[in-house]
Amino acid sequence: DAKTTQPPSMDCAEGRAANLPCNHSTISGNEYVYWYRQIHSQGPQYIIHGLKNNETNEMASLIITEDRKSSTLILPHATLRDTAVYYCIVSLGSNYKLTFGKGTLLTVNP
Amino acid sequence: NAGVMQNPRHLVRRRGQEARLRCSPMKGHSHVYWYRQLPEEGLKFMVYLQKENIIDESGMPKERFSAEFPKEGPSILRIQQVVRGDSAAYFCASSPFLGGYQETQYFGPGTRLLVL
Repeated sequence: DAKTTQPPSMDCAEGRAANLPCNHSTISGNEYVYWYRQIHSQGPQYIIHGLKNNETNEMASLIITEDRKSSTLILPHATLRDTAVYYCIVSLGSNYKLTFGKGTLLTVNP
Repeated sequence: NAGVMQNPRHLVRRRGQEARLRCSPMKGHSHVYWYRQLPEEGLKFMVYLQKENIIDESGMPKERFSAEFPKEGPSILRIQQVVRGDSAAYFCASSPFLGGYQETQYFGPGTRLLVL
């Protein structure tokens, strides 16, 4: 699976949009981009995933660049409960072994 | 629809004892995965099971660790003769049928094992 690079930490004001970047410059054509988050002392929570097109669900939006070398997870209106470590994972469609790196610690401030 | 259930949530064992961790997948999910998270580290894949079958145990230590997913009942991760280095959070995930495409994995709350 392609390697991902994320900033170690980010801050966001409550109510504002949180934009979390992820670089995956070695991604191959059939690899998906997944986002999970882990709130302190809890299990990872699935957020969203995509292949080429931008995706949106009730939690977030995923913007994938045209060359697929990077992506951005957008939480449109961050709340204090969104404070968590966010993991960007690139994985083949047939690969079940998710590889969690260090992720980005997002801190939402009041 | 209940999520992935794990029990116990916290487990304390003395060195040399056995630890049994249980995982009940989400309703309708037939695939179970176990991951381990050591302190200050990311999650690492351990084993992938379907009902009555171990599909991939490449991430599991060769000794003292075993996993099963019987036809009836929860999946069990068993650690024999625990050592302090086994202290970690163990997470179970489940997914629906894998039809040549990686279905999304949904994680449970984890079991935190502390070995004294």
